[in-house]
Amino acid sequence: AQTVTQSQPEMSVQEAETVTLSCTYDTSESDYYLFWYKQPPSRQMILVIRQEAYKQQNATENRFSVNFQKAAKSFSLKISDSQLGDAAMYFCAYRSAVWTDKLIFGTGTRLQVFP
Amino acid sequence: EPEVTQTPSHQVTQMGQEVILRCVPISNHLYFYWYRQILGQKVEFLVSFYNNEISEKSEIFDDQFSVERPDGSNFTLKIRSTKLEDSAMYFCASSHTGLDRFFGPGTRLTVL
Repeated sequence: AQTVTQSQPEMSVQEAETVTLSCTYDTSESDYYLFWYKQPPSRQMILVIRQEAYKQQNATENRFSVNFQKAAKSFSLKISDSQLGDAAMYFCAYRSAVWTDKLIFGTGTRLQVFP
Repeated sequence: EPEVTQTPSHQVTQMGQEVILRCVPISNHLYFYWYRQILGQKVEFLVSFYNNEISEKSEIFDDQFSVERPDGSNFTLKIRSTKLEDSAMYFCASSHTGLDRFFGPGTRLTVL
């Protein structure tokens, strides 16, 4: 069975600085998708970024980028030029590319941003 | 920007009672989901729904759970006889393609 592990329950960063959130996963599949979701306090989860496992190039979305290491089964999220609005819970998630609707989530990392 | 909405935001019920959690997915989306998060635990998949039928369900989604799309806009989760362990945050999600999920803000269910 696939699992997703986020080993950092909490992280903090100074405004304008860069922070990296870690995620590792376990799977025997070769084709899958990885996601980072952001959940601000009392708000819904928002998709931040998606990575297809067959793509070697790391996904980027404005200030958000990933470091996808397929062999190491690692999928970290880098937030550059951190802003106060980045403060949220961040969830890493996995989905098999074989037809399945199940997203498997990590336990989340709470990110605090200090001015 | 269109959003998934859920009502109520908080539901308190007595053990053994039936509850219905409501969701309005994004209007042109075709795939619908329910997830739940017990306090302090991971977000867990419950069920997916496509073309007016369940397409996948987890082992959590037993006979006490059911889903319905009663009209063109709502998507509901019914728990027939609630147990204490059903207390959780329930998230509805929808998707146009089946890949990216758009989540609602959740309904906090408290079973007493």
